[in-house]
Amino acid sequence: DQQVKQNSPSLSVQEGRISILNCDYTNSMFDYFLWYKKYPAEGPTFLISISSIKDKNEDGRFTVFLNKSAKHLSLHIVPSQPGDSAVYFCAAFGGATNKLIFGTGTLLAVQP
Amino acid sequence: KAGVTQTPRYLIKTRGQQVTLSCSPISGHRSVSWYQQTPGQGLQFLFEYFSETQRNKGNFPGRFSGRQFSNSRSEMNVSTLELGDSALYLCASSLVGTKNIQYFGAGTRLSVL
Repeated sequence: DQQVKQNSPSLSVQEGRISILNCDYTNSMFDYFLWYKKYPAEGPTFLISISSIKDKNEDGRFTVFLNKSAKHLSLHIVPSQPGDSAVYFCAAFGGATNKLIFGTGTLLAVQP
Repeated sequence: KAGVTQTPRYLIKTRGQQVTLSCSPISGHRSVSWYQQTPGQGLQFLFEYFSETQRNKGNFPGRFSGRQFSNSRSEMNVSTLELGDSALYLCASSLVGTKNIQYFGAGTRLSVL
């Protein structure tokens, strides 16, 4: 049972345009969400997070939006740069399990 | 500050063997978590250790075990290896728990033949 879903395995965007990565979750008890970025042959690195009491968090070119009623979050990257090309994982925390649950990842390719 | 260090980076084993992976967390971090990454499955949580105690466990068989030492270093052991255990095993450390930002090592790539 995949509680955190990233339905787009890959996304291709032109340099300078907006990248939008989407994530859906099923457990309404999740109260904290994170995005990680992973380059090949490296471990994931933390990008940005959001608490369920907020609906938006911004850090430079990266903004995460949370829609609790739809159980949906998205990561916006503006403007996209070739160095942003990586696999992006969303993750959720909360509920009884006390575990961080990851999605399956979306491979973002930013074309120069 | 040194990051999370995982050794070895690559391992090749055969079915039925056992393997031990090592993880040195960031200095001062007391929580160490282990994840298995396979294509199409994302990162699957294996277990979390905090102050030498297993605090949380994922849905993996008992062949997967771990421990944490007093210096917070952690080891993960997989016994009676199966072909399906081939994966990237990632270790992550954080100050006090998985809700905090976790810092990942580069992983150990295990291939079971």
